[in-house]
Amino acid sequence: AQSVTQPDIHITVSEGASLELRCNYSYGATPYLFWYVQSPGQGLQLLLKYFSGDTLVQGIKGFEAEFKRSQSSFNLRKPSVHWSDAAEYFCAVGGIAYNQGGKLIFGQGTELSVKP
Amino acid sequence: DVKVTQSSRYLVKRTGEKVFLECVQDMDHENMFWYRQDPGLGLRLIYFSYDVKMKEKGDIPEGYSVSREKKERFSLILESASTNQTSMYLCASKGGDITDTQYFGPGTRLTVL
Repeated sequence: AQSVTQPDIHITVSEGASLELRCNYSYGATPYLFWYVQSPGQGLQLLLKYFSGDTLVQGIKGFEAEFKRSQSSFNLRKPSVHWSDAAEYFCAVGGIAYNQGGKLIFGQGTELSVKP
Repeated sequence: DVKVTQSSRYLVKRTGEKVFLECVQDMDHENMFWYRQDPGLGLRLIYFSYDVKMKEKGDIPEGYSVSREKKERFSLILESASTNQTSMYLCASKGGDITDTQYFGPGTRLTVL
């Protein structure tokens, strides 16, 4: 079955520390991978996406993610976290069906708290 | 900038009422989606539409219907609201190219009493 797992429900990091949010997927075909961020009371904003090519993807707000096919992972990283990064982060996967309407499968989300 | 708007940010309804959630996008996108967001479950797809008057069931369509009479507007209908439909509802739209991004509206928090 197609699925996305974000193992960490809640993570707390200190401001200025590095961050890694984990995402593992199960998908039978070539996956297209996404990270979205949701600030309190807001809709989802795309941070970055991977379709093909270089497996290290750069996104907005200083985020990057690395696609590792052998590990079925697409972890999100940031070298130095800012207080404004506190939010909920969602990993999502799509495939061929993504082009047939655009269906995405989302993980459960990871809530990030930032300590001063 | 792409804009996806939803008719209400907060809505309170009573059990058994018919509820309409409206979504409008201004980017001439072919595809539109309704998701439901619940804590610990992420986003789950209710219905999507890839063209005017066309619709496809998502993962949790039971208790919901949709309408897309115009390209820019996609409505989610709860024929008879129930308490287990209390949730955050997110609308999204996407262009027709495979690399296009799904853009989300701000969400409607629906409470059914």
